[in-house]
Amino acid sequence: EAQVTQNPRYLITVTGKKLTVTCSQNMNHEYMSWYRQDPGLGLRQIYYSMNVEVTDKGDVPEGYKVSRKEKRNFPLILESPSPNQTSLYFCASSLGWTGETQYFGPGTRLLVL
Amino acid sequence: GNSVTQMEGPVTLSEEAFLTINCTYTATGYPSLFWYVQYPGEGLQLLLKATKADDKGSNKGFEATYRKETTSFHLEKGSVQVSDSAVYFCALGGNQFYFGTGTSLTVIP
Repeated sequence: EAQVTQNPRYLITVTGKKLTVTCSQNMNHEYMSWYRQDPGLGLRQIYYSMNVEVTDKGDVPEGYKVSRKEKRNFPLILESPSPNQTSLYFCASSLGWTGETQYFGPGTRLLVL
Repeated sequence: GNSVTQMEGPVTLSEEAFLTINCTYTATGYPSLFWYVQYPGEGLQLLLKATKADDKGSNKGFEATYRKETTSFHLEKGSVQVSDSAVYFCALGGNQFYFGTGTSLTVIP
């Protein structure tokens, strides 16, 4: 089944404790992206990647890192999480970028205490 | 820079009512425009899209037309059903993507 998977789905952590949220897609998509969803703000793009080893900042990259060593994986790294990073995170992928449909993962709900 | 402004909700309609959710955008270049839908507890799914001016996207009775002269991409449906209750997001995309704040729709029987 074609899908985008994220792990973990739920995570509670404390300020400053490094964490990684994994994202994987099995559709051979070139483009992958991370978003955060907050009430009243909609979805905001954190980082995106147009191909292996190519990543770019979205609208809200501060406090996040990403890497794209393989086509299928695009982990999101929070080196030192803070409470303002408490949010619902979505990974998405698409075949290309302009005009292409993005396929979203199920989301990761993160609480930083 | 690029941005999307979407009609605020929540919107509550009776079954079979007409739906319009307004979306306007600001963009440089020629981005594609999308409507995504999010059902409770799920990720977003594409509802429809349009990749150039005057294109009309349609799916499941929903329609939206890419209007460059008014920089709009309003979502419409002639007769909503209870199963259409969800949050709807307008989005603009090229290399980067910009989403609206979402409009929550509740359809009551």
